Amino acid sequence: NAGVTQTPKFRVLKTGQSMTLLCAQDMNHEYMYWYRQDPGMGLRLIHYSVGEGTTAKGEVPDGYNVSRLKKQNFLLGLESAAPSQTSVYFCASRGSGAYEQYFGPGTRLTVT
Amino acid sequence: GENVEQHPSTLSVQEGDSAVIKCTYSDSASNYFPWYKQELGKRPQLIIDIRSNVGEKKDQRIAVTLNKTAKHFSLHITETQPEDSAVYFCAASITSGTGNQFYFGTGTSLTVIP
Repeated sequence: NAGVTQTPKFRVLKTGQSMTLLCAQDMNHEYMYWYRQDPGMGLRLIHYSVGEGTTAKGEVPDGYNVSRLKKQNFLLGLESAAPSQTSVYFCASRGSGAYEQYFGPGTRLTVT
Repeated sequence: GENVEQHPSTLSVQEGDSAVIKCTYSDSASNYFPWYKQELGKRPQLIIDIRSNVGEKKDQRIAVTLNKTAKHFSLHITETQPEDSAVYFCAASITSGTGNQFYFGTGTSLTVIP
């Protein structure tokens, strides 16, 4: 039981490049979340999903897209990376009927 | 949307003393309030949580109190130890028709001085 995993762990992009971050969970959780964490800002919700095939916007969705084609995976895409998207990205999942979120190890993204 | 404020941003205590971190929230519909501990370079880890139908919860040296009327909740750590040094985040969760969203405070960096 690996819990929540994220791929990749680190990435450096140039402005304008695109990439996809992968979050996978093996706990059969319905809900999945993508956050970004910036110094002094706490965690801010980018997008979330309440089940396979569904997605919804969070606090800071601009510049990101997501997909949940399979229940266990939640993908976060950056179509045209900007330096303002330099951050640490955390994925989390939660079971339906439960309150606790389980976080992945994070992806550190730098956009130059 | 919900707005969560957290104070103080930094806190230093002597080993063995108590530490208190306070958060306020704006939306009275929030019904779940977790606290997370995050060590440098690691993921946030849930340390204690409280639901809106409870006023206080304790787990060994850690306790959380909730005042729904005033819309604030606090984390209390007693008999602090050096391994308690970390960044602590509060959060508030609102249940909506499309699921729970979590809103986080900006964090408190706790340093326990041996």
